[in-house]
Amino acid sequence: GQNIDQPTEMTATEGAIVQINCTYQTSGFNGLFWYQQHAGEAPTFLSYNVLDGLEEKGRFSSFLSRSKGYSYLLLKELQMKDSASYLCAVMDSNYQLIWGAGTKLIIKP
Amino acid sequence: DADVTQTPRNRITKTGKRIMLECSQTKGHDRMYWYRQDPGLGLRLIYYSFDVKDINKGEISDGYSVSRQAQAKFSLSLESAIPNQTALYFCATSDLIDSTDTQYFGPGTRLTVL
Repeated sequence: GQNIDQPTEMTATEGAIVQINCTYQTSGFNGLFWYQQHAGEAPTFLSYNVLDGLEEKGRFSSFLSRSKGYSYLLLKELQMKDSASYLCAVMDSNYQLIWGAGTKLIIKP
Repeated sequence: DADVTQTPRNRITKTGKRIMLECSQTKGHDRMYWYRQDPGLGLRLIYYSFDVKDINKGEISDGYSVSRQAQAKFSLSLESAIPNQTALYFCATSDLIDSTDTQYFGPGTRLTVL
């Protein structure tokens, strides 16, 4: 079966750095996505990785290792507005997105 | 301006009722999707459509049907609603010419079936 694993919940301090991990087992791989979702709102696109390595976009970076089936999202200089769920999704060989359950990130002052 | 809109935003209905959720987009995207989201679970694909004449079942299509009335409109119907269809429903779109096929979501419809 296809599976995406990410921690259920994480807590971090305002101004700090946090890394949210995602491991996957899918039938094929055509890219990995990270989305941010505030409670009760729509997921919004953060990043896309298809090649190994680090993609940096402002305070957010995403890393991919295809051989390890592993990705992480790195958030720097945390702000209170970063409190949200972060969803990892992998596009499989049929170009279907397989979604993790999401990691709820709680930011404390 | 919202690129992907969903109506209604909230709906409470009774078991056995037929209900339709609507999605419209101004992004000009060919591909449209319907997902449901339940607490503690990932988004699950119900149906998707790659163009007006194309309808495909997703992971959990039982109890649902869809209609792609135009490139910009994709409706989801629950023929006879049941309580375990209570969930947050999202419509999404993606662009055929975007090599990443990134999906963009509407604001969601919160459906409660009593």
